[in-house]
Amino acid sequence: DIQMTQSPSSLSASVGDRVTITCQASQDISNYLNWYQQKPGKAPKLLIYDASNLETGVPSRFSGSGSGTDFTFTISSLQPEDIATYYCQQYDNLPTPTHFAFGPGTKVDIK
Amino acid sequence: EVQLVESGGGLVKPGGSLRLSCAASGFTFSSYSMNWVRQAPGKGLEWVSSISSSSSYIYYADSVKGRFTISRDNAKNSLYLQMNSLRAEDTAVYYCARLRGVAGTGHNWFDPWGQGTLVTVSS
Repeated sequence: DIQMTQSPSSLSASVGDRVTITCQASQDISNYLNWYQQKPGKAPKLLIYDASNLETGVPSRFSGSGSGTDFTFTISSLQPEDIATYYCQQYDNLPTPTHFAFGPGTKVDIK
Repeated sequence: EVQLVESGGGLVKPGGSLRLSCAASGFTFSSYSMNWVRQAPGKGLEWVSSISSSSSYIYYADSVKGRFTISRDNAKNSLYLQMNSLRAEDTAVYYCARLRGVAGTGHNWFDPWGQGTLVTVSS
């Protein structure tokens, strides 16, 4: 199975700061990498799909990049409403039939 | 508006069974693969199971294989998860989520998600 790591596990930043989260896959996953935001007590919400595509309606301060094994998620200017946990997610079909895996998450707080 | 609403969660004893439902609206349910994803209290997200649009392809996480059964009724726009032989470690909020992207490829993502239903396995 492909293993996903995320770093950092948590971070605290000021409003307006640039925030960067990384996600690393143990094998090449092309651009099969998605990012979700989960606010406390709420369901996850899709932000970025296929590593760098911004979901419709998501503010442009969110962005993603990368391919292969190394991926980056960026909030260009942190806002109070961005307090949440962010998860990367990949698709894997080897060695077993299709399944999906999430990274462990990065909790983002306001300093 | 695309909407998914889960129901059926509750408190069940270890070894017991529970059936979750997910009612879909606002889109052509029969055209999409659907999934269950769970989240244990204070923990991260774990994919549980996936079913293709016509129920031809069904997949499970190793942690639930042989105990959980996913199914769907396209006439009722509904997704189900039959959970048997429940264990304490199955305690979680269970979300249903639509799979978007390109079928048969790795270009797949979960959107939207329901609000979740809590399953608690405890004696």
